[in-house]
Amino acid sequence: EPEVTQTPSHQVTQMGQEVILRCVPISNHLYFYWYRQILGQKVEFLVSFYNNEISEKSEIFDDQFSVERPDGSNFTLKIRSTKLEDSAMYFCASNLDRASGYTFGSGTRLTVV
Amino acid sequence: AQRVTQPEKLLSVFKGAPVELKCNYSYSGSPELFWYVQYSRQRLQLLLRHISRESIKGFTADLNKGETSFHLKKPFAQEEDSAMYYCALQATGANNLFFGTGTRLTVIP
Repeated sequence: EPEVTQTPSHQVTQMGQEVILRCVPISNHLYFYWYRQILGQKVEFLVSFYNNEISEKSEIFDDQFSVERPDGSNFTLKIRSTKLEDSAMYFCASNLDRASGYTFGSGTRLTVV
Repeated sequence: AQRVTQPEKLLSVFKGAPVELKCNYSYSGSPELFWYVQYSRQRLQLLLRHISRESIKGFTADLNKGETSFHLKKPFAQEEDSAMYYCALQATGANNLFFGTGTRLTVIP
């Protein structure tokens, strides 16, 4: 069964540093997403991406965040200047159309120190 | 604004007992509702969605618009059902999901 792949599984970074989280969605999927889950809290939507542009974003997704699909397979989330409160599990997901359920990646645990 | 409420953080039942995980939502339009499950050390995965009215692994969920609920039910719990369960809502025309805080189900042998 095809999977959404995320790398790295765990990233530790110093406050103020830039991080890039990487995802390879399922190849024939058209919609891509980033979600995050701060420890002990709910899974929160960050951004969705369709047709090479952001289709929706939440209030969390401020100017410090950006997404890119640099080639036909990768989908990246960049945090420009990390803050302690960015520490969370970041999930990438994709689906073929909006009525389909998501396929999630296994997540990247980001720890900002 | 949308909101999904899962009132129970933890739920324990004995094997073979019925189980019901509660989910209530707040949304002015016609939502699409989903249940996602995360087994230990595995990724979040779709369990079922109301639009398909299916039964997966013995679980069912009925959308009750009058009570704004989408409770997940199984008549006889199994040990392998132990997991974290998340209810999620998709607003009309949107792609993103609003998740509840999740319920950790433990099935006691």
